[in-house]
Amino acid sequence: DADVTQTPRNRITKTGKRIMLECSQTKGHDRMYWYRQDPGLGLRLIYYSFDVKDINKGEISDGYSVSRQAQAKFSLSLESAIPNQTALYFCATRDRGSETQYFGPGTRLLVL
Amino acid sequence: GNSVTQMEGPVTLSEEAFLTINCTYTATGYPSLFWYVQYPGEGLQLLLKATKADDKGSNKGFEATYRKETTSFHLEKGSVQVSDSAVYFCALSDPLGPLTFGKGTLLTVNP
Repeated sequence: DADVTQTPRNRITKTGKRIMLECSQTKGHDRMYWYRQDPGLGLRLIYYSFDVKDINKGEISDGYSVSRQAQAKFSLSLESAIPNQTALYFCATRDRGSETQYFGPGTRLLVL
Repeated sequence: GNSVTQMEGPVTLSEEAFLTINCTYTATGYPSLFWYVQYPGEGLQLLLKATKADDKGSNKGFEATYRKETTSFHLEKGSVQVSDSAVYFCALSDPLGPLTFGKGTLLTVNP
């Protein structure tokens, strides 16, 4: 089984809809991250969390919110989706004692 | 702030050719440096890393050396294979944890 899972893997939605992307991990890591990947722009950090009570904005947090429901779960929400949020979204985890991040398989989101 | 600049692609090579993908960085302090690889349809995987100056990271025939004097971490492989076709990302990490990525370089290796 994968250590970092993301659901759904693919999602098509309409402008104005609220959607949630979920991330779960079995690695026991305390730190979790949400990134967005766009062609030619690499990955950009949306939000990150060092533990359940700690949430931090990243480079491009506008239009997004997150919830850390438990150490193993970190959800990303788009309150009112817009077409320029069409992208590939990745969740990642990291252990406190390491600098290596482990990525989920990604969620491909299309906003019409 | 931190930034990573890597060679723009796409890069197309024949099998067994030599590969270099350039990466330079700007950072305060002493970051750790990484190369991640993304195979088609998959998430990112760590390829190699180096945590201090002059360290050499290596994995699967790929190598990169942390050069503080030139702020570089170039990726090299002596003989690429078709299975190396992927997108390669250079990244740095500061002590707080979030990674700063380059824009990625698409490598295509033809038989």
